Amino acid sequence: AQSVTQPDIHITVSEGASLELRCNYSYGATPYLFWYVQSPGQGLQLLLKYFSGDTLVQGIKGFEAEFKRSQSSFNLRKPSVHWSDAAEYFCAVGGVSNTGKLIFGQGTTLQVKP
Amino acid sequence: DSGVTQTPKHLITATGQRVTLRCSPRSGDLSVYWYQQSLDQGLQFLIQYYNGEERAKGNILERFSAQQFPDLHSELNLSSLELGDSALYFCASSVWAETGHEQYFGPGTRLTVT
Repeated sequence: AQSVTQPDIHITVSEGASLELRCNYSYGATPYLFWYVQSPGQGLQLLLKYFSGDTLVQGIKGFEAEFKRSQSSFNLRKPSVHWSDAAEYFCAVGGVSNTGKLIFGQGTTLQVKP
Repeated sequence: DSGVTQTPKHLITATGQRVTLRCSPRSGDLSVYWYQQSLDQGLQFLIQYYNGEERAKGNILERFSAQQFPDLHSELNLSSLELGDSALYFCASSVWAETGHEQYFGPGTRLTVT
């Protein structure tokens, strides 16, 4: 069965520091992978997605993610975190059958210290 | 603003009751998804509709039902409510039915069952 694991429930980084949020997936075929961000009281916003091709994908707000098939990982990175990046981040896998169904990880809450 | 609207924003009701959550997709989007976000279960896919037809089903309880109308808006009906149904219910929409098309999320309806 498809699944997504985000090992870190909560991460705290200082403003200006680099960030890496981990995501591991289990999927039988080539996965469609996504990172979403949820700010308090808001819906989810797509940061970036990977379907095929270049394994390093660029997203909005300065985020990037790298797909590593050998490690079944799709980690999200940002070189310098801003206070406004504090939010909850969700990794998701799609491509189930011929539907748009997404399977989400449990989420990682990012806190940014001034 | 994603362009997806959900009403109401908040809903407080008692156990055993029935409620209806409403979603209007972005203009031009044919596919609608419902997700449930709770503290213990995380973000879970419930059901997907595409152009009025059910496309995919997830962990949706038999007490829950949904439909998509000819004008493409969707309703999620929750009946015989239990305390455990308290959650944030998101609607999302996309142009087509398959993964690969960005899902735009609404702000959610927070349901509290007392």
